Amino acid sequence: GAVVSQHPSWVICKSGTSVKIECRSLDFQATTMFWYRQFPKQSLMLMATSNEGSKATYEQGVEKDKFLINHASLTLSTLTVTSAHPEDSSFYICSARSENQETQYFGPGTRLLVL
Amino acid sequence: EDQVTQSPEALRLQEGESSSLNCSYTVSGLRGLFWYRQDPGKGPEFLFTLYSAGEEKEKERLKATLTKKESFLHITAPKPEDSATYLCAPTDSWGKLQFGAGTQVVVTP
Repeated sequence: GAVVSQHPSWVICKSGTSVKIECRSLDFQATTMFWYRQFPKQSLMLMATSNEGSKATYEQGVEKDKFLINHASLTLSTLTVTSAHPEDSSFYICSARSENQETQYFGPGTRLLVL
Repeated sequence: EDQVTQSPEALRLQEGESSSLNCSYTVSGLRGLFWYRQDPGKGPEFLFTLYSAGEEKEKERLKATLTKKESFLHITAPKPEDSATYLCAPTDSWGKLQFGAGTQVVVTP
């Protein structure tokens, strides 16, 4: 149980384009989903927290107009990187947590390369 | 300010050579402490949650323990498949995971 998927697993795009990443909880209802970013040889940095049906809460320093998060259902959250630039190239990982549970289960990650 | 420090940064072990990883933390409103394992290019895999000092959890060759300021992950008689980066993450009062930098473990045959 507690499986989280992400799609795509990797994406290459041109600078200035937008990229959407999907995160799905496959066998449980995720009332809360989290989006992280991980640069090479660094740990995970939380970007934002989203609760189903509510606006996402962004961490300090994360541009909410650049990283659009939607959590419209209990099994799906999306992260859209708008007007991507090479410095946005990173490994993006989502996690999901069900109501009244502490444990976050992570997706396999999406590697984004912006040329 | 919340701080999480993991040591050592890297650990190279011979198969069967037991060792311990350390996680020191200062997190206000601690709700629990999580251990994850991360393989290269993949998302973290949940291992344990510890909630109170003195608590211990075991899974195969891994055992996690918790004190008021530290957590230890003991690896007993490791195998090559235990090679991974082990991440410690206390949760704050908001339920957010505060990840440490991790300990990269390499187990050689």
